[in-house]
Amino acid sequence: GENVEQHPSTLSVQEGDSAVIKCTYSDSASNYFPWYKQELGKGPQLIIDIRSNVGEKKDQRIAVTLNKTAKHFSLHITETQPEDSAVYFCAPSQYSGGGADGLTFGKGTHLIIQP
Amino acid sequence: NAGVTQTPKFQVLKTGQSMTLQCAQDMNHEYMSWYRQDPGMGLRLIHYSVGAGITDQGEVPNGYNVSRSTTEDFPLRLLSAAPSQTSVYFCASSYSDNRTPYEQYFGPGTRLTVT
Repeated sequence: GENVEQHPSTLSVQEGDSAVIKCTYSDSASNYFPWYKQELGKGPQLIIDIRSNVGEKKDQRIAVTLNKTAKHFSLHITETQPEDSAVYFCAPSQYSGGGADGLTFGKGTHLIIQP
Repeated sequence: NAGVTQTPKFQVLKTGQSMTLQCAQDMNHEYMSWYRQDPGMGLRLIHYSVGAGITDQGEVPNGYNVSRSTTEDFPLRLLSAAPSQTSVYFCASSYSDNRTPYEQYFGPGTRLTVT
């Protein structure tokens, strides 16, 4: 099975600064790399994802970068805002075109935005 | 669309009691799954289903049963609750196409306490 590690477990940044969360995985067959955001009292929600044929993807203030050789991918949040405070999970998986059979999640990173 | 709904939101059980956590989705997703979330452990897959009549075990299936008689519903049964099953339970559903493989839509969760 996939071994997934996320670092750091807690990250505190000043509002307006950037935040970077790293996810390391073990299965070289993984080809789909999503990041989920979980706000307090809610279920996780997909915020950005990337496939293995792409090295970087951006969506406004968030971006994901992938290094398949080193088997890690990172979430980058720029110009952080209070609403970015949440727990973030990575969930690398192998997409075979047949659909989802469940994800292996990292243990999560608690991002705290200090005013 | 209501998305993924879960009932109840909160539940307290005594050791040995049984109960069913309900999950329904109105997005016509084939794939549904159950996760449990414990502090510092991320989300762990309990059971999943790739379509009506088909279920399979995830990472932590012991003590839980599932069935999938319709596309919409995927109930999770605890036959004899144990304190180790105290957790927050999330149901998720997903579709799969060429645009967004493996995106999971999560319900709001059920917080279960077993005393």
